Amino acid sequence: AQSVAQPEDQVNVAEGNPLTVKCTYSVSGNPYLFWYVQYPNRGLQFLLKYITGDNLVKGSYGFEAEFNKSQTSFHLKKPSALVSDSALYFCAVRDMWNDKIIFGKGTRLHILP
Amino acid sequence: GAGVSQSPSNKVTEKGKDVELRCDPISGHTALYWYRQSLGQGLEFLIYFQGNSAPDKSGLPSDRFSAERTGGSVSTLTIQRTQQEDSAVYLCASSLRTSGGATEQYFGPGTRLTVT
Repeated sequence: AQSVAQPEDQVNVAEGNPLTVKCTYSVSGNPYLFWYVQYPNRGLQFLLKYITGDNLVKGSYGFEAEFNKSQTSFHLKKPSALVSDSALYFCAVRDMWNDKIIFGKGTRLHILP
Repeated sequence: GAGVSQSPSNKVTEKGKDVELRCDPISGHTALYWYRQSLGQGLEFLIYFQGNSAPDKSGLPSDRFSAERTGGSVSTLTIQRTQQEDSAVYLCASSLRTSGGATEQYFGPGTRLTVT
C-alpha cells in the first residue's frame, strides 16, 4: 500500500528566503506525486504534479518540486518566500496500479515578514 | 465552469443520529473521492469511485460509514449512529481519468460535521 510522510508539522521561513517543505513516499512501482495548498478558510488547490520525465516540476505561484527516486522524496521549494505563501501544504501519492490517492498529514508554512 | 459542490456546508447533529453528506462532482469527471480532515490528522482517505468499477472502500473507518454514487455522478456519504469522534470536515474531490497518467483532483469546500 502506498504511503506518504511529511516529517515537519510546521516550517517557519523569513520573507524573501528560500523555502523547502519535505515529503517522502512509499509505493510499489512508479509514483504519481502531487502537492496541494490549503489557504485559511478555503478549499484545497492543486499546485503541481510529477508523472514522468524531468525531475524538476514547476507549478503555480512560483513553486517547484524535485522528484528524487533514490531518496523517494518529492520536496516542495520556492526560491523566495512571500507572506502570502503562508498556508497548509499537503503532499499526495498515487501508485501506477489504481487511482487511490493518499495524502500526508500536512505541513503548516509560516512566512515571517 | 462549476466546481465540486458539497452540501450541507455545516451540519450539527446529536450523537446516535444518522447523517447524509452530498457531493456533486464536476461534470464529466469519472473519479470521485471522499476524505476526512481532522485537526492534526491531515487528510484521511475514506473511499473512491472510478466509473462503473466497484468502489475502493479500504479507508472507511467502520461499518457505520457507507457511500454510494448514483448514475456515475452525485455521491452521498452516510454516517450511521454518529459518534463524537466523527466530528471533522468531510471533503469530496473529483478528477478525470486518463490512460497512462494521473490528473489532479478538484476539491469541494467541504462539510463541517459536529456531533454533540
